[in-house]
Amino acid sequence: GAGVSQSPSNKVTEKGKDVELRCDPISGHTALYWYRQSLGQGLEFLIYFQGNSAPDKSGLPSDRFSAERTGGSVSTLTIQRTQQEDSAVYLCASSVRGDRVSNQPQHFGDGTRLSIL
Amino acid sequence: AQSVAQPEDQVNVAEGNPLTVKCTYSVSGNPYLFWYVQYPNRGLQFLLKYITGDNLVKGSYGFEAEFNKSQTSFHLKKPSALVSDSALYFCAVRDHNTNAGKSTFGDGTTLTVKP
Repeated sequence: GAGVSQSPSNKVTEKGKDVELRCDPISGHTALYWYRQSLGQGLEFLIYFQGNSAPDKSGLPSDRFSAERTGGSVSTLTIQRTQQEDSAVYLCASSVRGDRVSNQPQHFGDGTRLSIL
Repeated sequence: AQSVAQPEDQVNVAEGNPLTVKCTYSVSGNPYLFWYVQYPNRGLQFLLKYITGDNLVKGSYGFEAEFNKSQTSFHLKKPSALVSDSALYFCAVRDHNTNAGKSTFGDGTTLTVKP
């Protein structure tokens, strides 16, 4: 079956440009997460959407980062005025439900590899 | 608050030998615990989880993990390692009493299995 899909798989852009990263979660999954991973390191939590609730934006590193989720499905992570330290792999994950009692694992896409020149 | 620690950045084992990848956690309530594996240029894949009940959890690819409440640990194990098990492994915890669905991940352990 279809898993989590992320596009583009690779993105190279110049410092100062804006970028948009897309995530298509598994159909029916109400919870969606964005993470950043640098050079095979650990995961840095960025933002979390659960159904129609207000997103948890506590992990966004600066106001240059924003994300939206339209219609409870597709999500877009936008980075404005990119800096070289934004270079990383951006991973998206979804799960069946993300509320307090959920014991479901997250399903990850293969990520977008972002390189800022 | 919830946290998880993977004390070893790297674990090396010989093919056919047993392997252990360590994980300890801290939560204020009851934990949900997860192990994920990441192969190069791929996203994380779910291996197994502990919710409640039997402390020994069996998962994909012959992996298992043992929940130890007194030691707040959830070590990943496999009786006989394969070269193909070489990958980056992540432990994750969620406190289902206090946290609305957000997991905390460890920094990862690189497992290398040598022929």
